[in-house]
Amino acid sequence: EAGVVQSPRYKIIEKKQPVAFWCNPISGHNTLYWYLQNLGQGPELLIRYENEEAVDDSQLPKDRFSAERLKGVDSTLKIQPAELGDSAVYLCASSWHRDTEAFFGQGTRLTVV
Amino acid sequence: DAKTTQPPSMDCAEGRAANLPCNHSTISGNEYVYWYRQIHSQGPQYIIHGLKNNETNEMASLIITEDRKSSTLILPHATLRDTAVYYCIVRILSGGGADGLTFGKGTHLIIQP
Repeated sequence: EAGVVQSPRYKIIEKKQPVAFWCNPISGHNTLYWYLQNLGQGPELLIRYENEEAVDDSQLPKDRFSAERLKGVDSTLKIQPAELGDSAVYLCASSWHRDTEAFFGQGTRLTVV
Repeated sequence: DAKTTQPPSMDCAEGRAANLPCNHSTISGNEYVYWYRQIHSQGPQYIIHGLKNNETNEMASLIITEDRKSSTLILPHATLRDTAVYYCIVRILSGGGADGLTFGKGTHLIIQP
């Protein structure tokens, strides 16, 4: 069974440009998470979806970040415009239910120059 | 979620048991103890979780003290592939509180050949 798939693995963009990350969760998983991980730190939750509904987006910087999960399956996370401080690894995770263990993708490493 | 305290780094000889401690002195009665690990350049991986009884699976054992204020993750026969950052997380399952995993900085376990 395929795990959580994220693309691209790496992205380099200039500041002020837009960028989007894509996540395909494990089939049948209702809960989807986006996390941000800075170098040397643990992952930090950005947003959590239950099916297509965003149920916890309190840590998402809404002035420049947006996310969607159409049809309750795949999800995209967008940054517009990107800033130098957005350089980090963006991780997607999914779980069958919010109370079950989460499975993580390999992440997208974003570098803003 | 309650905070956890872990040593920043530990060494262990290959083939020996690795014992990773975690302090969670303010844990509530309905909070579980979770362990995840993150190998370099990969997303976090679920290891094990428990409430108050000791737990064992194919990857590790989790020993929780009777007062639940601390726990120990045991990797019985560490291999070089177990070198990773290990995160101890306390989490409420359903009901009130945050449902996302709150990661700290974890313990960087280095397995020595």
